[in-house]
Amino acid sequence: EDKVVQSPLSLVVHEGDTVTLNCSYEVTNFRSLLWYKQEKKAPTFLFMLTSSGIEKKSGRLSSILDKKELFSILNITATQTGDSAIYLCAVSMDSNYQLIWGAGTKLIIKP
Amino acid sequence: NAGVTQTPKFQVLKTGQSMTLQCAQDMNHEYMSWYRQDPGMGLRLIHYSVGAGITDQGEVPNGYNVSRSTTEDFPLRLLSAAPSQTSVYFCASSYFGGETQYFGPGTRLLVL
Repeated sequence: EDKVVQSPLSLVVHEGDTVTLNCSYEVTNFRSLLWYKQEKKAPTFLFMLTSSGIEKKSGRLSSILDKKELFSILNITATQTGDSAIYLCAVSMDSNYQLIWGAGTKLIIKP
Repeated sequence: NAGVTQTPKFQVLKTGQSMTLQCAQDMNHEYMSWYRQDPGMGLRLIHYSVGAGITDQGEVPNGYNVSRSTTEDFPLRLLSAAPSQTSVYFCASSYFGGETQYFGPGTRLLVL
């Protein structure tokens, strides 16, 4: 069965801390891994990763994929209260048109 | 561009009632999908479409119908609402399936 597992499920840190969110997967015919941020409403796209070992970076956020060990991490440095959100990981496969979603990590940044 | 729009934002139904959730996109995306999101369960795919006239079932299709008569619109119909369908529903679109999806603002549905 195809599955995506995120950890931790929730995390509370203080402003300025660095956090690492994890996403592991077991799917057939892996094509890409995507990270989304969900605040109060709809998920918004952060990164798409297809190649192992190549870091994607956007400001204080970065992500990397390990296709051998079947996981990805999302790093957020110098966290701010605006980073508080649910972070979702999803995986796409060559065999169909669907994304398999993890349950998400709820991140709370305390001032 | 409006992106992906959904109506209504919030709806209360009684058990057994039917209704249609509307979704439209103006990005000329071929792929559209409907998800439901429940606490602690992430996003679950209900139905999806790879183009006008083509639809298929996702992970949790029971109790829902879809159609895709145009590229822009992808309505989701609840045939006979049940309390288990209380959820937040998101519509999403992308150029191709399995790629970066753009989400609508969501519809919060409460079935009593």
